[in-house]
Parts: sequence; C-alpha cells; structure tokens
Amino acid sequence: SQQGEEDPQALSIQEGENATMNCSYKTSINNLQWYRQNSGRGLVHLILIRSNEREKHSGRLRVTLDTSKKSSSLLITASRAADTASYFCATDENDYKLSFGAGTTVTVRA
Amino acid sequence: NAGVTQTPKFQVLKTGQSMTLQCAQDMNHNSMYWYRQDPGMGLRLIYYSASEGTTDKGEVPNGYNVSRLNKREFSLRLESAAPSQTSVYFCASNEGQAGSYEQYFGPGTRLTVT
Repeated sequence: SQQGEEDPQALSIQEGENATMNCSYKTSINNLQWYRQNSGRGLVHLILIRSNEREKHSGRLRVTLDTSKKSSSLLITASRAADTASYFCATDENDYKLSFGAGTTVTVRA
Repeated sequence: NAGVTQTPKFQVLKTGQSMTLQCAQDMNHNSMYWYRQDPGMGLRLIYYSASEGTTDKGEVPNGYNVSRLNKREFSLRLESAAPSQTSVYFCASNEGQAGSYEQYFGPGTRLTVT
C-alpha cells in the first residue's frame, strides 16, 4: 500500500514562478524524503527531513514537515525549465522499506 | 564511480518466458532494493536485501525471485513472465536503513511482456 500521496497530481507554471506540492501520509514516520524523476530516468534524491525537524532548505528547495497533520510540502523557488520532472515523497514504513507516493508532475513553461 | 547500473535497458518477452534483471552498485552499500513503476503510480517495492546474504519480500513479490549474489550485485528473476509484469524496473541501494539514508537509483529496465 502507498503511504504517501502527493497533491496536486500535475502542476504547470511559468519559468521564474514558485512551485509547491504537498504530501500526506497515514502512519507515523521517522523520516520523509523527496525525490525527483526526469522523464525516462531513475529517481534522484533531493532532501531528507527527520520527524523532529520542521523545515529544511537545500538550494532553491524548501521542505516543511508537520507531523501533527501528517503532511509535508516541497517548494521550488524561481523555477527553471530543468525543474520539469515528477516529484515523489517517500516515507519509511519500517527500517528497510520506503513507501512512495504517485508523484506530482511539474511542467515549467519558458 | 558508476553508481547503480542495470542491465538490460529494454527487454521484450513473450508470456511464459523467463529472464533475469541484473543490478550492481559500486558504492559499498549494504542495502539493495528492487522496485517496479507503473504509469500513474509511485514505486512499489518488490524485494529488498538489507545486507549481503539476506533478502525479504516487499509489497508486490509474487512472480519474482531475487538473489543477493554478493555485496555489489542483486538480481531479479521472472520465472514465467506475465503481461501484468510489463513495467519499468528500478534497482536502488543505500548505506543501511531505508528511511535514514538516501537511496541511489539505477536508470531502469523497461520490460514489455506480450
């Protein structure tokens, strides 16, 4: 079963705008991760946020985590054409299993 | 470092045929994973190997077998392929516990079963 669910399913923005996507999950977690997948490629890790952290930054990425609401958000600021990809959240079901959501497809228009 | 490599990149099988998907990593990682990705869905875990010599079932193990040949290599075998196994297969690895360490993914194998 998929623990995480991303929202929206798809997002289209103009270059330079910000993109925000959300992830909701069902059971308690230790960590939550975000991955990016370019078309036809494998997933690439973006950021890991631990359950005792509320916010984390990496370059143009900002991730928040609200464990009381069982939700996380990923913000990409000043988007570029190269940010066009699918974005997945992943939660740790147990020590050795990550559960991925269905993803948000982001299209950045020039 | 090549990271995680997978072979083949593409494969077409007829129903009932068998094949083995190969995966190797050169990062000295303890844990390795096999996922499948279907359109509109996230990745689903097929099998994983927490360390050399151990393997465990994931979410969708039926129809598959795995072998952790050594620390570097983790193969996935389809004994009798079915059209429902048409998918993109990804191998991944990381240092240890799935949630605590980022996973490194291979480029994927696109499998079509007719």
